[in-house]
Amino acid sequence: TQLLEQSPQFLSIQEGENLTVYCNSSSVFSSLQWYRQEPGEGPVLLVTVVTGGEVKKLKRLTFQFGDARKDSSLHITAAQPGDTGLYLCAVNTGTASKLTFGTGTRLQVTL
Amino acid sequence: DAGITQSPRYKITETGRQVTLMCHQTWSHSYMFWYRQDLGHGLRLIYYSAAADITDKGEVSDGYVVSRSKTENFPLTLESATRSQTSVYFCASRTLAGGVTGELFFGEGSRLTVL
Repeated sequence: TQLLEQSPQFLSIQEGENLTVYCNSSSVFSSLQWYRQEPGEGPVLLVTVVTGGEVKKLKRLTFQFGDARKDSSLHITAAQPGDTGLYLCAVNTGTASKLTFGTGTRLQVTL
Repeated sequence: DAGITQSPRYKITETGRQVTLMCHQTWSHSYMFWYRQDLGHGLRLIYYSAAADITDKGEVSDGYVVSRSKTENFPLTLESATRSQTSVYFCASRTLAGGVTGELFFGEGSRLTVL
């Protein structure tokens, strides 16, 4: 079983639409990170959330950490083709700063 | 400012051959990691290292070997490649100062095909 379940797995939308992707777990975490990966590249950090209920905004992207710190969501307003990519959530597990990743949501935004 | 570089970017090999994927970072980050990425499985940790000469297994370490004699290098070796090791491999690094919320910096990946 996956520690982090992401949904949906795939999402294809048109430019200008809004969308939300989810990262869920039955475990409690002290922090959670979101990464975006573009084709042929490695993932790049978007945001880190550390407090239950925390909301962070990055331009058109809004990230929320659940009150119980078991889940998180990423909302994109007015999606653009440049938002296309694989969105991954990740949490620290065990010692030595190891990150465990979810399976990701693959987003495609078309004109 | 090279950051973190992986080589080769693409490699085709045959079952049973030994393959080494190289990873080099210029930031002197303490932590280094190897992940593999496969459809349906996301990124899975193979090995990690907290410092030179300190390495430990991740969740999918069977069939892989690592070393870290210098802080900046973290090579990953497949001792006898199998078809199931066909994947995209990512090296990553993280500063000690970042703690558990620190950013993980990834290389561009090495795509390995085992025939």
